[in-house]
Amino acid sequence: QKEVEQNSGPLSVPEGAIASLNCTYSDRGSQSFFWYRQYSGKSPELIMSIYSNGDKEDGRFTAQLNKASQYVSLLIRDSQPSDSATYLCAVLTSGGSYIPTFGRGTSLIVHP
Amino acid sequence: DADVTQTPRNRITKTGKRIMLECSQTKGHDRMYWYRQDPGLGLRLIYYSFDVKDINKGEISDGYSVSRQAQAKFSLSLESAIPNQTALYFCATSVGLARQETQYFGPGTRLLVL
Repeated sequence: QKEVEQNSGPLSVPEGAIASLNCTYSDRGSQSFFWYRQYSGKSPELIMSIYSNGDKEDGRFTAQLNKASQYVSLLIRDSQPSDSATYLCAVLTSGGSYIPTFGRGTSLIVHP
Repeated sequence: DADVTQTPRNRITKTGKRIMLECSQTKGHDRMYWYRQDPGLGLRLIYYSFDVKDINKGEISDGYSVSRQAQAKFSLSLESAIPNQTALYFCATSVGLARQETQYFGPGTRLLVL
């Protein structure tokens, strides 16, 4: 069974700090990795995607991928209260259908 | 205008009733999906469709059926609703870009089965 694991949290950080969200996956053949943000009562929206080992930066967000360790992370610099949400990790596993497997999400709280 | 719409947004029904949740999209995507989300359990795939003539079961299809009426419309039915189908239901679409596949979600339907 192909699994995507996230710590459910909540992860609480002060405003201005770096929030670090982690995700591990079981399928070594996984190709693509995504981070979705979901505000309470709203639908998920894509904030980052990463396909190759290393870091990918977009504004205050950095996605990090380590395929050897089967680990993907999302760093949020200068965290703001508006970043408070649940962050879902999604992984496109091997098999050809290109349907993502979602983790259960990590709740992030940024307090002033 | 929203690209992916769902109706109704909220629904309360009774055990044993048949209900339909509808999804429409203006993104022109071929692929459509139905998920349910329960607290602590994340998003779970119910059914998916890669084109009008293609329907596939997801990991939790028991108790559900779907209909792909057109490229833009994908409906989810609960033939005989039961309380443990109380959840938040999302429709999603994607364009089919292989490893760059991104999903676009509708606003969700909150369903309560009494």
